[in-house]
Amino acid sequence: AQKITQTQPGMFVQEKEAVTLDCTYDTSDPSYGLFWYKQPSSGEMIFLIYQGSYDQQNATEGRYSLNFQKARKSANLVISASQLGDSAMYFCAMRAITGANSKLTFGKGITLSVRP
Amino acid sequence: GAGVSQTPSNKVTEKGKYVELRCDPISGHTALYWYRQSLGQGPEFLIYFQGTGAADDSGLPNDRFFAVRPEGSVSTLKIQRTERGDSAVYLCASSLTAGVVGSTDTQYFGPGTRLTVL
Repeated sequence: AQKITQTQPGMFVQEKEAVTLDCTYDTSDPSYGLFWYKQPSSGEMIFLIYQGSYDQQNATEGRYSLNFQKARKSANLVISASQLGDSAMYFCAMRAITGANSKLTFGKGITLSVRP
Repeated sequence: GAGVSQTPSNKVTEKGKYVELRCDPISGHTALYWYRQSLGQGPEFLIYFQGTGAADDSGLPNDRFFAVRPEGSVSTLKIQRTERGDSAVYLCASSLTAGVVGSTDTQYFGPGTRLTVL
């Protein structure tokens, strides 16, 4: 079984500053993948970044980077130089890599508000 | 190219009625997933198709829910005898591959169908 925990209340950040969104996970799978998705008020889930459990380096994708600490089972998302358009819900998710089923297990999400 | 599309975007129905929700995945994607998202929650897995077959339907809440993907592309989620508790946003996602070693199998989501059962 897999579990994703996102416990931060609504987050606020000033425009152009960096912000970290927390995610911890639990799984018995030896190999797994971690994802972050953004869901603006329009409702569509937008893929941001992926981290494999055996990747040697932390993933980066433009202004997004993933602070992956395997021993602590955490996969925090760092957004640098926040923009007003970053205001949205952010979901952390995971899936097992072994086996054919790539279904995702999601956390409850974190609301991020960027202030001008 | 075109992303995942879902129709209708909104569906209002009465308790006890039957509804169908449609998902058109990204062209060439072999894997298709249905999720349900209740207010204030993350999406929850319902069913996964690899090609035409349902490879995992363990997330379907009961036998009122059924999904098909007859030609390995478009999928329809069917809900019989709808209940007020079925009200949620139903999300569809597709990925190019599933379970391929070395692939991220990233899932790309559609805009969802908001179902309201009165």
